[in-house]
Order: sequence, then structure tokens, then C-alpha cells
Amino acid sequence: NAGVTQTPKFRILKIGQSMTLQCAQDMNHNYMYWYRQDPGMGLKLIYYSVGAGITDKGEVPNGYNVSRSTTEDFPLRLELAAPSQTSVYFCASRIQRNSPLHFGNGTRLTVT
Amino acid sequence: GESVGLHLPTLSVQEGDNSIINCAYSNSASDYFIWYKQESGKGPQFIIDIRSNMDKRQGQRVTVLLNKTVKHLSLQIAATQPGDSAVYFCAEIISGGGADGLTFGKGTHLIIQP
Repeated sequence: NAGVTQTPKFRILKIGQSMTLQCAQDMNHNYMYWYRQDPGMGLKLIYYSVGAGITDKGEVPNGYNVSRSTTEDFPLRLELAAPSQTSVYFCASRIQRNSPLHFGNGTRLTVT
Repeated sequence: GESVGLHLPTLSVQEGDNSIINCAYSNSASDYFIWYKQESGKGPQFIIDIRSNMDKRQGQRVTVLLNKTVKHLSLQIAATQPGDSAVYFCAEIISGGGADGLTFGKGTHLIIQP
């Protein structure tokens, strides 16, 4: 199993541009998550999904959108990028609620 | 506020010594705890977990201790090696919480001195 795969690894955006961060998992996990990690800070939940067709907002959803059309994929969309969205983004999945999250290796995004 | 936190942001230990990383939590309803290791440029990696009906769990070179009385969690790493250098953070899941009910601490940076 490849686990959780995120693409791209790095990206630089200009203010106002849009992009989609890709996330795919091959473990047949129902639960998928998007977090952002700022320097010296803990992980902040952006959006999550408990299954295909179901998504919910997390702690910091503003400026982002998600979709979950399949069990495997959970893309994160940034519309009108802002400097405050400069961060490292992690996608994660787990099989059930009381089980560990499996993380991807992240996408480092810079908005200038 | 954050219910999961760490006592020390940086911990420096000699290679070969044991390391102890601490974590405090404030929600007595938390029933599942996880320790993660994050190396530079990588995603968090699962180390070990423990449920609230246990007070100790051992893995390979790692032990997690849970003290529910004082709401304290610790990660012990035996015979620390250079490859153990990383940021370690704990996470808790609150019983009865939703699918998003996972709270992360900020992390402790473990530095291994040769």
C-alpha cells in the first residue's frame, strides 16, 4: 500500500490564484481529513469527510473547499489564494473513529 | 483553547540515554491517545496509542504511560538514537465527540546530542 499520497509537494501561488491540492489513499479508509500546520503551531483541521459524498467543516474552513466523490480521493480547493494561506497542508485518513490517523507527507504552499 | 499541550518545547538528550516527553490534557472525557513523530519535511508518523482503560502500553523501544488522575500522558523512548531526532506530539480523542474529535498538541522537539 502507498498509504496517503499528496501532490504537489511544493507550490508557489500569487495572491488571487486558485489551486487544488490532491490527496489519495489506498487503504479503503472512510474518514479523511485536511489539516494545515503553521510554524510552531499544532495541526489545525480545515475540513473532514466520513465517507464519499459527505464533508464537514473543521476549525479553519474559510477560504477552502473540498469534495469527496470517491472513497479514495479528497481534494482541497483554494480559491483566491491569500498570504494567510501560506502553510504546510497535510491530508490524513483513518479506518474508524478510535484509530490512528495516517498522514501524507504534506504540500508546502507559499502565497506571495 | 487547546486541551492538549506539552510541558517543554525542546528536549535535548545524550545518545543512548532514555527520553521522556510529556503531555497534559484537560478533558476528562478523552478516551484515546496517540503519540506521533514528525521528522523535518515529512508528515506525522504514528508511534503508539493507548486507550483510557489502560495505564501503560509498550512498543519497540517506546512506552506510553497514562495517568488519568492528573490527566497526564508521557512517551518514553529507550536508548535514544540519532534517528529519534524529531518533533513529537500527542493527540487525544474525546469520547462522544464527532469524527473531527482529534486534538493535537504543538509538539516537543527532541534533539539528540552525540
